[in-house]
Amino acid sequence: ETGVTQSPTHLIKTRGQQVTLRCSSQSGHNTVSWYQQALGQGPQFIFQYYREEENGRGNFPPRFSGLQFPNYSSELNVNALELDDSALYLCASSSSSGARAQYFGPGTRLLVL
Amino acid sequence: KQEVTQIPAALSVPEGENLVLNCSFTDSAIYNLQWFRQDPGKGLTSLLLIQSSQREQTSGRLNASLDKSSGRSTLYIAASQPGDSATYLCAVMTGTASKLTFGTGTRLQVTL
Repeated sequence: ETGVTQSPTHLIKTRGQQVTLRCSSQSGHNTVSWYQQALGQGPQFIFQYYREEENGRGNFPPRFSGLQFPNYSSELNVNALELDDSALYLCASSSSSGARAQYFGPGTRLLVL
Repeated sequence: KQEVTQIPAALSVPEGENLVLNCSFTDSAIYNLQWFRQDPGKGLTSLLLIQSSQREQTSGRLNASLDKSSGRSTLYIAASQPGDSATYLCAVMTGTASKLTFGTGTRLQVTL
């Protein structure tokens, strides 16, 4: 069974640029959630995708957007990057039924200069 | 709005000690509660999940309890080892979107 994978592992961008982060969900999982974790803080919920549709969103502006593909993998896109977007971005996959445990990938560390 | 608090923020114990990490949440209408471990700069490793209808879960040296009515959970670690050094995060799942709300974590150091 393959776990959750994310790419790239690290990324450096400059303010105003756009970035795309990718996530492959665990086998058998149909739901993907994205979280932002600033240094020293707990992860904050960005949004969730289920069956290729956004299924809930946290307190993040519209320049944070996403996609889910038919194979349940997902992308997080951030436009007009700001310095405060520097963080660890975590993807989690889960099943929509049962205990709904979320399993996390290793994260993508984004630095905005 | 769900809020999760973890106490203490940091803890240092000698090897072999038993310890308890605390988590409290403000809205008792949760679907489940998960405890995670995070090593520096890494992703989250799921340790234990307690569904809202359960009172506790055990895995090896770890035991987690849930008191939904009082909005509290504890993670008990028996016979701590230096390899247990990490940040431990508590998260509660609420709402139909299976959103997790996290605490800020307890940073644990187990010394030789």
